Amino acid sequence: GNSVTQMEGPVTLSEEAFLTINCTYTATGYPSLFWYVQYPGEGLQLLLKATKADDKGSNKGFEATYRKETTSFHLEKGSVQVSDSAVYFCALSGKAAGNKLTFGGGTRVLVKP
Amino acid sequence: GAVVSQHPSRVICKSGTSVKIECRSLDFQATTMFWYRQFPKQSLMLMATSNEGSKATYEQGVEKDKFLINHASLTLSTLTVTSAHPEDSSFYICSAPTPGTGGASNYGYTFGSGTRLTVV
Repeated sequence: GNSVTQMEGPVTLSEEAFLTINCTYTATGYPSLFWYVQYPGEGLQLLLKATKADDKGSNKGFEATYRKETTSFHLEKGSVQVSDSAVYFCALSGKAAGNKLTFGGGTRVLVKP
Repeated sequence: GAVVSQHPSRVICKSGTSVKIECRSLDFQATTMFWYRQFPKQSLMLMATSNEGSKATYEQGVEKDKFLINHASLTLSTLTVTSAHPEDSSFYICSAPTPGTGGASNYGYTFGSGTRLTVV
């Protein structure tokens, strides 16, 4: 079945540092890939997505590229801010699984001023 | 934008009691609601899918009699954890397809803020 593995946190960074959160997946067929973010006390929000190989999703300075050859969808941001402190979830969906979302375990990111 | 209001955000209950968690879609109709559960340091796992006007669909391994799901209206879905035990302590979160984005495409889902259940 489908599965998503992402690096465990917490990840602690200083403001303006470079952030990478690794995400790899196992899936049948050609899934769509997502990054969701959960800020303290709020629901999950879609951060970015990619629906086919080599697509790059981007939003709010974050980027992730759909790499089929390495089954990866790593999240990156060049210069983080304190407001980026949150929990980040990598996820996938695919027709083979009825388009239901499969999540990674989440990575907590803490950015210090 | 679309909002799913989930209550309570935290609840502590005694073993053997039942707890109800509500998810309401605000300003839009949610014919479908997905219910997830997350154990510490683990993934969000889909428990069940509720559909207004019909029985919920449960994922393999999820006890239907333990986790009662009711989709009473187009704006309200509830999850009741019956006869709760400490092993039911977890983070529960709901999500609904967001209107205008095509729910079947899966990138149009609005999530509630989650409920932290602790059974003592």
